[in-house]
Amino acid sequence: ETGVTQSPTHLIKTRGQQVTLRCSSQSGHNTVSWYQQALGQGPQFIFQYYREEENGRGNFPPRFSGLQFPNYSSELNVNALELDDSALYLCASSSPGTGPYEQYFGPGTRLTVT
Amino acid sequence: GNSVTQMEGPVTLSEEAFLTINCTYTATGYPSLFWYVQYPGEGLQLLLKATKADDKGSNKGFEATYRKETTSFHLEKGSVQVSDSAVYFCALSDRYNAGNNRKLIWGLGTSLAVNP
Repeated sequence: ETGVTQSPTHLIKTRGQQVTLRCSSQSGHNTVSWYQQALGQGPQFIFQYYREEENGRGNFPPRFSGLQFPNYSSELNVNALELDDSALYLCASSSPGTGPYEQYFGPGTRLTVT
Repeated sequence: GNSVTQMEGPVTLSEEAFLTINCTYTATGYPSLFWYVQYPGEGLQLLLKATKADDKGSNKGFEATYRKETTSFHLEKGSVQVSDSAVYFCALSDRYNAGNNRKLIWGLGTSLAVNP
């Protein structure tokens, strides 16, 4: 069974630029959630994708957008980067059929905005 | 809205000491509760879970009991090891629409350092 993978591992961008982060979900999982984890904080929910559609969103502005593909992999896009976007971005996959609705996390992408 | 509160860290213990990390929650309905662990430089790993009142989750010597009467899910381990040094997050599964779609709501995390 393949776990959740994310790319790239680390990324440095300049304020105002755009970035795309990628996630491959765990085998058999059709739902992907994205979280932002600032240094010393717990993760904050950005949005969730199920069957290629966004089906829930946290308190993040529209410049945070995403996609899910037919193989359930996903992208997180952030436009007009701001310094406060510097964080660890975590992708988690899950299956709605799972009783307690566990989420399995990838290792994250560390984004630094300068 | 729903929320999770964890005891603040850092927590520093000697090897073989007893560990308790407190977690309380505020929620409507009956959420599932989780403890995740984040080792240095790594992503989040599910440590244990409980889905209903009085359930006890356990894994790798860690335990937590879902206490509805006190809205708590405290993490315990009888004898910690140096390899347990990590950040521990308490989380609850929150339904956010009419379907079965859920997101996780997290505490701020508690850093644990175990000294030999």
